[in-house]
Amino acid sequence: SYVLTQPPSVSVAPGKTARITCGGNNIGSKSVHWYQQKPGQAPVLVIYYDSDRPSGIPERFSGSNSGNTATLTISRVEAGDEADYYCQVWDSSSDLVVFGGGTKLTVL
Amino acid sequence: EVQLVESGGGLVQPGGSLRLSCAASGFTFSSYWMSWVRQAPGKGLEWVANIKQDGSEKYYVDSVKGRFTISRDNAKNSLYLQMNSLRAEDTAVYYCLPQLERRGYFDYWGQGTLVTVSS
Repeated sequence: SYVLTQPPSVSVAPGKTARITCGGNNIGSKSVHWYQQKPGQAPVLVIYYDSDRPSGIPERFSGSNSGNTATLTISRVEAGDEADYYCQVWDSSSDLVVFGGGTKLTVL
Repeated sequence: EVQLVESGGGLVQPGGSLRLSCAASGFTFSSYWMSWVRQAPGKGLEWVANIKQDGSEKYYVDSVKGRFTISRDNAKNSLYLQMNSLRAEDTAVYYCLPQLERRGYFDYWGQGTLVTVSS
């Protein structure tokens, strides 16, 4: 089955740029979606179809996808961005939806 | 306004059964694929199953295949998950989620319903 690999944790200082990766075999050929989840809350979609941003999501959030790695980039990181982040794809080979294991973003 | 209200969770013994329901409103339910996604306490998100708009196609994660059955009633704008032979590792909050297409995203999340499998 298709596997998405995320780093368990990423730390960044306020005002800096955070990059959270999502690795998968030829993930560049798939559509990647990203979710933010804060403690005690349901997940929120922050990036869809690799790089599109839902209304209400700050421009500081952006996404890219190429080769074997998709990346969620958060510019000018704020304390309020501290959360768990998950990537998600649909694997056409298995007809299954797959989530990455999640990355905890810590703002130092 | 899109609303997804999951219900039917609770405490059940290992080997027992539960039926989850999801009442959907605020969108054309019959036009969407519907999924169940779960999250065990302190763990990540795990997709469980999905069903095509007309119910003709259903897919499951390997860990629940043969134990869980997803179904829908478009006349009632409702999604269901019949869970049999429950195990401790099925303990999680279960969310029902619409998707416009299979490769699509989940942009509406309810509060979920908690299933606890324990003796």
